[in-house]
Amino acid sequence: KNEVEQSPQNLTAQEGEFITINCSYSVGISALHWLQQHPGGGIVSLFMLSSGKKKHGRLIATINIQEKHSSLHITASHPRDSAVYICASTGNQFYFGTGTSLTVIP
Amino acid sequence: NAGVMQNPRHLVRRRGQEARLRCSPMKGHSHVYWYRQLPEEGLKFMVYLQKENIIDESGMPKERFSAEFPKEGPSILRIQQVVRGDSAAYFCASSPGVWETQYFGPGTRLLVL
Repeated sequence: KNEVEQSPQNLTAQEGEFITINCSYSVGISALHWLQQHPGGGIVSLFMLSSGKKKHGRLIATINIQEKHSSLHITASHPRDSAVYICASTGNQFYFGTGTSLTVIP
Repeated sequence: NAGVMQNPRHLVRRRGQEARLRCSPMKGHSHVYWYRQLPEEGLKFMVYLQKENIIDESGMPKERFSAEFPKEGPSILRIQQVVRGDSAAYFCASSPGVWETQYFGPGTRLLVL
């Protein structure tokens, strides 16, 4: 069992749809990260959070410490959002989820 | 402020050679992290360094791999006697402090022939 589990593994959406990607973790953490890996391979850090909710543009990340669960939401999705989204936990060690491959169709 | 820089971007080595991957963190960042992404697999943590110190190397293979972050100059990930299984993308990231947002470099794609 992975310390960090993501779902779904693959997701296809129509442009404009509201998207949710889920992340569950089984270890104690200092912070939960959401990363975006573009088709070309580059990685961008989207959010780092340890409690509550953060918003940046059309992206929203939430975390529930008691339930050890985080979600990444994308509102009004666009084809340029197509990428792999990765959650990762940092604490005593670093653990990565396997990623969610998102494709947004025009 | 330049972002995290990695070089080379692509590196081809024959089995048994050495590979040296360099990472220059963002200005003002003293924390460097190295990650490996094998083909068709997810990211895996390798090592976390602060200037001149290895803080956590729990993800580093026990043999052939080493990392350093000297007082001056870039962080170096060194792979001795490379094997085909070392072929992967190696990413480094930096942060201004521990548990702060990490900024990723573009990665070095290592191909071992």
